[in-house]
Amino acid sequence: GAVVSQHPSRVICKSGTSVKIECRSLDFQATTMFWYRQFPKQSLMLMATSNEGSKATYEQGVEKDKFLINHASLTLSTLTVTSAHPEDSSFYICSARDFDSTNSYEQYFGPGTRLTVT
Amino acid sequence: RKEVEQDPGPFNVPEGATVAFNCTYSNSASQSFFWYRQDCRKEPKLLMSVYSSGNEDGRFTAQLNRASQYISLLIRDSKLSDSATYLCVVRVPAGGTSYGKLTFGQGTILTVHP
Repeated sequence: GAVVSQHPSRVICKSGTSVKIECRSLDFQATTMFWYRQFPKQSLMLMATSNEGSKATYEQGVEKDKFLINHASLTLSTLTVTSAHPEDSSFYICSARDFDSTNSYEQYFGPGTRLTVT
Repeated sequence: RKEVEQDPGPFNVPEGATVAFNCTYSNSASQSFFWYRQDCRKEPKLLMSVYSSGNEDGRFTAQLNRASQYISLLIRDSKLSDSATYLCVVRVPAGGTSYGKLTFGQGTILTVHP
């Protein structure tokens, strides 16, 4: 099956710093990538949808200036958490659609990035 | 009202038991339906899609009732390895895109004990 990787798998940063998370589709081209956030004991919440070469679409309540998304190529999307605060500590998961798949509705999830802001 | 609601759980069952999870969704325009499995501190993995005709994959059976906006998952002959959180997931229309977006239920924790 299609593989999506994320880097780093976990990161600890100080309050006020910025953190960049990378999401890569390893063996397929992803026209659309999704970024989710999951707080402890809660489900995944979609933050934004990014399409290659265009601006991301953010869900209601998600600050686009705080969570910067760049989808510069068909295999890479990045999420930058700017001026991180402890309340941003969460599990961030990306997902991608396979542009060429016969089942183009299937999403493949990355392994997630656990962010802790101290 | 949440878009996707699941049994609160948790479920604690012995090996070999049959367990059923229920889920309801609020958007009647929902397009696709899934059950995902998520292990602790890992990403969700697709368990199975759910079709109106009902579908079975080994010990797992999923049912969809569009009229009632209700989805179920039945696990027979539970194994220790079935212990996980089970997520009911619905693909709903979104923002003029043909694809829409996935909306996740809060999950139901299953623990299978010896």
